[in-house]
Amino acid sequence: EIVMTQSPATLSVSPGERATLSCRASQSVSSNLAWYQQKPGQAPRLLIYGASTRATGIPARFSGSGSGTEFTLTISSLQSEDFAVYYCQQYNTWPPITFGQGTRLEIK
Amino acid sequence: QVQLVQSGAEVKKPGSSVRVSCKASGGTFNTHTISWVRQAPGQGLEWMARIIPILGIANYAQKFQGRVTITADKSTSTAYMELGSLRSGDTAVYFCASLTQSGFIDSWGQGTLVTVSS
Repeated sequence: EIVMTQSPATLSVSPGERATLSCRASQSVSSNLAWYQQKPGQAPRLLIYGASTRATGIPARFSGSGSGTEFTLTISSLQSEDFAVYYCQQYNTWPPITFGQGTRLEIK
Repeated sequence: QVQLVQSGAEVKKPGSSVRVSCKASGGTFNTHTISWVRQAPGQGLEWMARIIPILGIANYAQKFQGRVTITADKSTSTAYMELGSLRSGDTAVYFCASLTQSGFIDSWGQGTLVTVSS
């Protein structure tokens, strides 16, 4: 099973600033990496798949990069609605699909 | 894109079983893979199982082997997850989710809270 590790656990950023979230895989997952956003009381929402392709309707301020074992989600200019928990998920070798433990993005 | 609607919250006694349903609409149920993912209070996402409705093939996370059964009724486009031998640690929100052929999730149900308490 591929283990996904996200860092940091919590990230404090001011609105309008850039946020950079990291995700590391225990072995190569090629570009088979997705990012999700989850707000309290809601189901997760797909942001990025294929490591860098934005899902339908996702604003351009969200971008993903990386391949192999190191991945990054960048939010270029934080809006109030972006403060949430973010999860990465590998789908290179599945089942099982595996998630990172999440990064909580909070207002500084 | 398929829409998924789950059954309502449940309260169960330790040792009992729970069955959660997930009805799909707006897409072709048989071409999707349906997975179940759970989230304990304040915790992350944990993949439990998946089923390919058109084939009836199911796979389970090792942690849940023997305790969870997922099925799919093609005639009603509904998937089911049954978890047995419930314990307090199973208290969680259970999501059904539609996986693309690649393996990422493009649609989620609203979640079903299962509370296990004596």
